[in-house]
Amino acid sequence: SYELTQPPSVSVSPGQPASITCSGDKLGDKFACWYQQKPGQSPVLVIYQDSKRPSGIPERFSGSNSGNTATLTISGTQAMDEADYYCQAWDSSTVVFGGGTKLTVL
Amino acid sequence: QVQLQESGPGLVKPSQTLSLTCTVSGGSINSGDYYWTWIRQPAGKGLEWIGRIYSIGGTNYNPSLKSRVTISADTSKNQFSLKLSSVTAADTAIYYCARDSHGDHGMDVWGKGTTVTVSS
Repeated sequence: SYELTQPPSVSVSPGQPASITCSGDKLGDKFACWYQQKPGQSPVLVIYQDSKRPSGIPERFSGSNSGNTATLTISGTQAMDEADYYCQAWDSSTVVFGGGTKLTVL
Repeated sequence: QVQLQESGPGLVKPSQTLSLTCTVSGGSINSGDYYWTWIRQPAGKGLEWIGRIYSIGGTNYNPSLKSRVTISADTSKNQFSLKLSSVTAADTAIYYCARDSHGDHGMDVWGKGTTVTVSS
């Protein structure tokens, strides 16, 4: 079965850029999405089709996908961005999530 | 604005069948543009896709759960449902329903989730 691998945790200082990676076999040949989940809340879609932002998502969120790695980048990270982030892709009519990355804003 | 709301028993006994319903408001599940999806999340762990239903009653399931899962829809009530049979403690989780758009647009609308505990 297809697997997506994320680092368990990433730390960043306020105002600095944060990057979260998601690795999978030939992931660049698929579309990737990213979700943000804060404690006690439902996930929120922040990036779809590799790099597109849904309405209402701040411009500081961006995404890319090439080769075996998709990357979520948050420019000018704010304290409110502290959350768990999950990548997601489709494989053979099924949906696969990465294991999640806890972003800590120190 | 489309909203989703999960409902169902919060406690299920081992070996029994877990049954949840997702009620969709502000839009029709008959729309051919969306997959209606179930996801779960054990406490402190990551998201796990369970499966989805789409127009004309088509379904896709997580291979690891396929033998125990059935997702169905009641268009007259604008609801879709999840049944998970032969549950164990490992099925204890928050269960979410979500709308997944065709064309790889992602799951853009989620319910608030409902906690299901499997225990005798």
